Amino acid sequence: SQELEQSPQSLIVQEGKNLTINCTSSKTLYGLYWYKQKYGEGLIFLMMLQKGGEEKSHEKITAKLDEKKQQSSLHITASQPSHAGIYLCGADGGAGSYQLTFGKGTKLSVIP
Amino acid sequence: KAGVTQTPRYLIKTRGQQVTLSCSPISGHRSVSWYQQTPGQGLQFLFEYFSETQRNKGNFPGRFSGRQFSNSRSEMNVSTLELGDSALYLCASSSIIGSGTNTGELFFGEGSRLTVL
Repeated sequence: SQELEQSPQSLIVQEGKNLTINCTSSKTLYGLYWYKQKYGEGLIFLMMLQKGGEEKSHEKITAKLDEKKQQSSLHITASQPSHAGIYLCGADGGAGSYQLTFGKGTKLSVIP
Repeated sequence: KAGVTQTPRYLIKTRGQQVTLSCSPISGHRSVSWYQQTPGQGLQFLFEYFSETQRNKGNFPGRFSGRQFSNSRSEMNVSTLELGDSALYLCASSSIIGSGTNTGELFFGEGSRLTVL
């Protein structure tokens, strides 16, 4: 079965600083999703990456997919308190699976 | 457009009881999936339904079951509750209908937090 390892597990940054969260898969990535979760709440979709080398940005968040390394990274520029939460990467199980396998998450705290 | 609605949001049960959780997907979405989230195991896939048919099931015991109705609303049931079933149960809906290479973007509800005493 596929496993996703996220690093770091937790992160505390000063407001305005940049940060990067990594997600490494044990198997080939067919599609990689990034979600954000506020404690105890539902997941909010951020981005989906499908092709090797693909890079997407939304506001101050950029995600990249390195298919060969089976890795994805999420980069936040000039962090704000509103960025605080748990970031989860999810891997598509491939055709016909209809499921995502998630990493354990990275807890981000932003200090004003 | 209303989002995914889950009820109840919070519930407390005792060991041995059973529980039913409900999920109303986004209008027009026909795929509904369920996930269990615990501090130790993280998010784990339970099952997925499309047009009242279960298309995939995760590695959970038979005490966990679900169903989908003709209006795409879904319910999941857990019988003979155990302490380890305490978790946040998340429902997600998707507009993807085919069996393409990707599951597609999932829209999650706020979850139902179950506590088993």
